[in-house]
Amino acid sequence: KNEVEQSPQNLTAQEGEFITINCSYSVGISALHWLQQHPGGGIVSLFMLSSGKKKHGRLIATINIQEKHSSLHITASHPRDSAVYICAVTIRGGSRLTFGEGTQLTVNP
Amino acid sequence: NAGVTQTPKFQVLKTGQSMTLQCAQDMNHEYMSWYRQDPGMGLRLIHYSVGAGITDQGEVPNGYNVSRSTTEDFPLRLLSAAPSQTSVYFCASSYSWRGTTDTQYFGPGTRLTVL
Repeated sequence: KNEVEQSPQNLTAQEGEFITINCSYSVGISALHWLQQHPGGGIVSLFMLSSGKKKHGRLIATINIQEKHSSLHITASHPRDSAVYICAVTIRGGSRLTFGEGTQLTVNP
Repeated sequence: NAGVTQTPKFQVLKTGQSMTLQCAQDMNHEYMSWYRQDPGMGLRLIHYSVGAGITDQGEVPNGYNVSRSTTEDFPLRLLSAAPSQTSVYFCASSYSWRGTTDTQYFGPGTRLTVL
């Protein structure tokens, strides 16, 4: 079993819909990252969390340390949000990232 | 700032050939790392460095060498390419030696095919 599990693997939405992508992990962590990989392949960091909630524009990331769970929400989704969203964690005491397999999001106009 | 740059963008090798993937950053970041991305799998760490002169192995280091002679550059060497090394390679950096508890900056990737 992977240490980082994302759901769903694939998600199709209509423009304007509220989207949630989930990330669960099975180990103690010191940080959790949400990354976006564009269709062209580039990877961009969206958020880094160790507790609570962060918001940037239409994106919101939350983390529940006790439940070992994080969510990435996209409000008022747009076709330009179509990308792969990747969750990654830093295991406590470690110095490397462990990645989920990613969630492919497609937003149709 | 150019951020994190990688060259080449694409490369085709024959089995047994050697090559170096280049990675450079101009943000004075201490932590640099190399990942490979394969279909159906998450990114996997190959090697990382917490500063000039210091490198360590990641999850999948076999067949790859690295060195870090300057803060800016972190090349990845394939000594004798194998078809199993066909992948997309990403270099990443972050500000402090703590590395993965800082925001990560990724290069654009190198798509490598080994025939």
